[in-house]
Amino acid sequence: DGGITQSPKYLFRKEGQNVTLSCEQNLNHDAMYWYRQDPGQGLRLIYYSQIVNDFQKGDIAEGYSVSREKKESFPLTVTSAQKNPTAFYLCASSRGPRPSYNEQFFGPGTRLTVL
Amino acid sequence: GESVGLHLPTLSVQEGDNSIINCAYSNSASDYFIWYKQESGKGPQFIIDIRSNMDKRQGQRVTVLLNKTVKHLSLQIAATQPGDSAVYFCAEKQGSQGNLIFGKGTKLSVKP
Repeated sequence: DGGITQSPKYLFRKEGQNVTLSCEQNLNHDAMYWYRQDPGQGLRLIYYSQIVNDFQKGDIAEGYSVSREKKESFPLTVTSAQKNPTAFYLCASSRGPRPSYNEQFFGPGTRLTVL
Repeated sequence: GESVGLHLPTLSVQEGDNSIINCAYSNSASDYFIWYKQESGKGPQFIIDIRSNMDKRQGQRVTVLLNKTVKHLSLQIAATQPGDSAVYFCAEKQGSQGNLIFGKGTKLSVKP
């Protein structure tokens, strides 16, 4: 089965600790994205990557970091500098940045709670 | 601020009725408008998109209408089923990078 996976589904961390969220896809997609979703809100873009070894900041990148060493993987680190890290984090992938490539495939999400 | 928004945060319909979910946007330069469905605790799922040079596009049981004059987008679901209960997001695609900007969402509840 082709798809996009995120792990873990639920994650608890103490305040001040860095935490890394995993995102893997086997769809052979070039582009990958990280979004944050807060209750009753839409998705906000944290970081995105359109090709291996390259990534750009989204609208709310402060306090987050990413890497794209492999096409299949796009891990997100939530650092202690992120002031309000408790949220639902969604990873997505798409074929690429071309205008007609509108469909982003989303993973099941990771719910991070910082205590 | 956000350039994509919704008129109604919640919508309750009877099973079998048609549903209409509305969305307003502010950026006339957007190339595409997309609708996503998100079930509770899951990631969003693509439903349908429409290019900015079109007024209407139909899918299976869904129709998206685009009114560029008033910058309004709607998603119509025919014969709404319990499985349609979810939060629906509109998104617009703009800029050279083609990133999506999402609205806040409308929760659709289907009564049996």
